[in-house]
Amino acid sequence: GNSVTQMEGPVTLSEEAFLTINCTYTATGYPSLFWYVQYPGEGLQLLLKATKADDKGSNKGFEATYRKETTSFHLEKGSVQVSDSAVYFCALSTSGTYKYIFGTGTRLKVLA
Amino acid sequence: DTGVSQNPRHKITKRGQNVTFRCDPISEHNRLYWYRQTLGQGPEFLTYFQNEAQLEKSRLLSDRFSAERPKGSFSTLEIQRTEQGDSAMYLCASSLQDTGANVLTFGAGSRLTVL
Repeated sequence: GNSVTQMEGPVTLSEEAFLTINCTYTATGYPSLFWYVQYPGEGLQLLLKATKADDKGSNKGFEATYRKETTSFHLEKGSVQVSDSAVYFCALSTSGTYKYIFGTGTRLKVLA
Repeated sequence: DTGVSQNPRHKITKRGQNVTFRCDPISEHNRLYWYRQTLGQGPEFLTYFQNEAQLEKSRLLSDRFSAERPKGSFSTLEIQRTEQGDSAMYLCASSLQDTGANVLTFGAGSRLTVL
């Protein structure tokens, strides 16, 4: 079946450090891929998405590229800020279905 | 646009009691979803509505769970005879049917604690 695997956290970085959160997926067909972010006490918010191979999603300095050959969608940011501290979820949605499959989430803590 | 609203935000109940959660989606969204999230896990799909029709239910949704979306607007999720294993965050999301990626907008969730 379809699944999403994320690197385990927590990830602790100093401000302005480079961030990578790994995400790989297993899916039939051609899924759409997403990163959602959950700040403390808030609902999940869409961070970025990509709908086909080689697409790059980007938002707020975060980027992720849809790599079909490695079935990956790693999240990157060149310089993190304290305000980026949150839980990040990788997810997929396959064509013809309407439900998301989420990874277990990766908690990011950025220290000043 | 006030986003997706969920009530109550927190509910503490005793085992065996019934609880009901309400979700008000973004007004123009015709799809509505319920997910459950436990500590340290990602959200798990429970059920999905398109307008007022409930089109899919997860095997996670036992007979004690029922969801409705009368008139295709707000939705309710009722849990009967609650068990301690039902303790979780219940998330509602909505989306607009279009030809692109199905982007979900989530509410802040309703946290259930069963004592």
